[in-house]
Amino acid sequence: GAVVSQHPSWVICKSGTSVKIECRSLDFQATTMFWYRQFPKQSLMLMATSNEGSKATYEQGVEKDKFLINHASLTLSTLTVTSAHPEDSSFYICSASVTHRGNEQFFGPGTRLTVL
Amino acid sequence: QKEVEQDPGPLSVPEGAIVSLNCTYSNSAFQYFMWYRQYSRKGPELLMYTYSSGNKEDGRFTAQVDKSSKYISLFIRDSQPSDSATYLCAFDQGGKLIFGQGTELSVKP
Repeated sequence: GAVVSQHPSWVICKSGTSVKIECRSLDFQATTMFWYRQFPKQSLMLMATSNEGSKATYEQGVEKDKFLINHASLTLSTLTVTSAHPEDSSFYICSASVTHRGNEQFFGPGTRLTVL
Repeated sequence: QKEVEQDPGPLSVPEGAIVSLNCTYSNSAFQYFMWYRQYSRKGPELLMYTYSSGNKEDGRFTAQVDKSSKYISLFIRDSQPSDSATYLCAFDQGGKLIFGQGTELSVKP
């Protein structure tokens, strides 16, 4: 149980285009979803926290107009990287948590974004 | 001072060795302590989860927490090549996870 999927697993796009990444909890309803970014050989950095039906809370230094997060249902959250640039190339990972499971987060497999 | 310090390695050990991975932290408010394993180009998976000082054992893995020293450790006994991965310590801060940089471990057959 507690499986989280991400789609796509990897994407290559041209500079200036927008990319949407989906995060789904497959066998449970997630009260909260998180989006992380991980650069090579570095740790996961939390970008934003989202709860179903409400606006996402962004971490300091993360541009909310550039990284649009939509949490439309208890099983789906999307991250859209708008007007992507090469410096946005990274590994994006989502996670989901359920209130009755305490603070445990279940992570997706990640999406590798390369912006040319 | 960083909130979490973790030696990035890489750490290379022979198969069967005991591996010790460590993290120090500065925030006394951290209540929950976790270790995640991350294989290359994959999402992290939870290995150990604890909230109190002391030891917690699960198979070949033992998590140790020393709140007074703000120090946590993960021990892997009888290490296997399949244990080769990056190990990240993580701390819960009001529902948010703060991760260490991760230690890259390689277990050689």
